[in-house]
Amino acid sequence: GAGVSQTPSNKVTEKGKYVELRCDPISGHTALYWYRQSLGQGPEFLIYFQGTGAADDSGLPNDRFFAVRPEGSVSTLKIQRTERGDSAVYLCASSLEAGSYEQYFGPGTRLTVT
Amino acid sequence: GESVGLHLPTLSVQEGDNSIINCAYSNSASDYFIWYKQESGKGPQFIIDIRSNMDKRQGQRVTVLLNKTVKHLSLQIAATQPGDSAVYFCAENGDSSYKLIFGSGTRLLVRP
Repeated sequence: GAGVSQTPSNKVTEKGKYVELRCDPISGHTALYWYRQSLGQGPEFLIYFQGTGAADDSGLPNDRFFAVRPEGSVSTLKIQRTERGDSAVYLCASSLEAGSYEQYFGPGTRLTVT
Repeated sequence: GESVGLHLPTLSVQEGDNSIINCAYSNSASDYFIWYKQESGKGPQFIIDIRSNMDKRQGQRVTVLLNKTVKHLSLQIAATQPGDSAVYFCAENGDSSYKLIFGSGTRLLVRP
């Protein structure tokens, strides 16, 4: 079956612009996670959705970052007033059950802020 | 796609040899550990996991060893193949039931 998909695969934007990154989880998966991966490092947790609600957004770096999952399936990560330091690969993962470590990752969106 | 780990420690092995990748984890509260494989331009792919009530777990060509005393995790890959070339990350759960904390990764290069 289809895995986690993310669009776009690459996004180049200018400093100060607004971007949206989309994640389509595996069908039927109730939990969704966003991670950020900087070059040469492991992924870092950003936010966790259980259904439609954000159960834990403690990893979001600041209030420029926001994520939604209005229907409990597709999620959008939104970044306002982008900064060069936001450049990274943004990974989405989903799991069948809430609070599961068995997380399946998408290919990521590589965001470059110029 | 862009390489994930340009500045990562690298392990270079001959095809057919066994590989051992090590990881020191940080949180004494962690009771679940996972090894992920990440190829360039792709997301992390689950390899094998282990819970803290075990010290060894075997999969297909892979074995994970856990030493809780020194907070050390290792991944052994038997008869390493060119397709094993990738960056390998260990991850732990910390005190969370869902959040994964990733290590910094090791690049494995398999020489033909």
